[in-house]
Formats: sequence, C-alpha cells, structure tokens
Amino acid sequence: DQQVKQNSPSLSVQEGRISILNCDYTNSMFDYFLWYKKYPAEGPTFLISISSIKDKNEDGRFTVFLNKSAKHLSLHIVPSQPGDSAVYFCAATPTYSGGGADGLTFGKGTHLIIQP
Amino acid sequence: GAGVSQSPSNKVTEKGKDVELRCDPISGHTALYWYRQRLGQGLEFLIYFQGNSAPDKSGLPSDRFSAERTGESVSTLTIQRTQQEDSAVYLCASSFGPGWEQYFGPGTRLTVT
Repeated sequence: DQQVKQNSPSLSVQEGRISILNCDYTNSMFDYFLWYKKYPAEGPTFLISISSIKDKNEDGRFTVFLNKSAKHLSLHIVPSQPGDSAVYFCAATPTYSGGGADGLTFGKGTHLIIQP
Repeated sequence: GAGVSQSPSNKVTEKGKDVELRCDPISGHTALYWYRQRLGQGLEFLIYFQGNSAPDKSGLPSDRFSAERTGESVSTLTIQRTQQEDSAVYLCASSFGPGWEQYFGPGTRLTVT
C-alpha cells in the first residue's frame, strides 16, 4: 500500500517552460514533505521541503505547493533548464525538526526530461 | 567537506552468500539511515540510527537483514543468505538529527545471481 504516490513515471518539458511534478499521499500523519533530485549513479540530493503549516515554499526556480485537504503537493520548476533533467522523488515524514525517528517514505519518482 | 560515502559501489554475489555493505556518514551527523531502491520502485526505508539509542529496525524486510553502527560513525548493513529479490541499490543517508534534511551517499548496487 503506497503512502506516497507519484503517478507520472516520466514527464517531458521544453526548455524554458514550466515543469510541474505532482505527488499525492494517503497518511494524514505526514506533516513534513521533501523533494529530492537524483541523477544516474548518484544518491538523491535534497532540493526543497515544506512543512504542513505552510502551503507554499519558494527557493529560486523551485516552488513547492502543499494542499493538505487534498493530500497533494507539487513541485514547480520555472524556467526549466537542461540540467534539471533527472528523477525527482517526493518524500514525506510524520516528524519535523527534533521530532521522532522515522525514515522518509518516498514515492517511486518521476523522470523529468527537459527538451532543448 | 566529504559527503556520505558507501562501499563497494557494486557487488555481485551468488544466491545464499552473505554480503556486507558499508556507509561512512558525514562527520558530525548523529542520524544515519539505510534505504533500498529495487528496480522500478521508490526508496524503501530499512533502518535508522540516532546517536547511541537503539536503532529503529521497523523497515527491515526479514531477519536476514541486520545493521550495526559504531558510535556516530561507520555503519554496516549485512544481508545473510542473499536471495534474488535482495537485488537493489542500497542507499545510506545521514543528517544532523531526526527531522533534518538527509544527505545521501551514491549507493551500492547489489546483484544477486
């Protein structure tokens, strides 16, 4: 039973346009959400996070939106660049900053391809 | 400073053999996590160490899996009597503590033949 779902295995976007990656979760105990980016043969690298007390967090070209009532979050990348081509993982945890000991629950990832 | 390192980067083993995977976390990080990623799947949490506390083993898939950590440094993940379904990339991550962002190593690709 997947608690974090990324329903699009891949997404192709033209360079310069907006990339929108979606993530849905089922566990209402999750209150901290993260996006990781992964290149082939490398470990995931942290990109951006959001806690459940916010509905938006922005960092440069990356913005994460959280809709708690819909249990949905999305990552927006604008403008998309060729170096953004990677697999993006959504992750969630029921703990935040000094809370418990849970590992992250990850989605299966979305392969983003930026086309020139 | 150095990131999280893992060794070996690749391991091919025969079914039934034991394997040991190593993780060197970032210095000063008290929390250490092991995950695995099987083909076509997301990252699956295995085990968590925080300081000198007893580890959270809730993600270990069977009693063939075990892990140790020496103080707040190196960790080893041991898989006994490997099975083909154990084939995956095993990823280690460390963080300043629970709830902080996790930094991942490059992973160990395990193939059980």
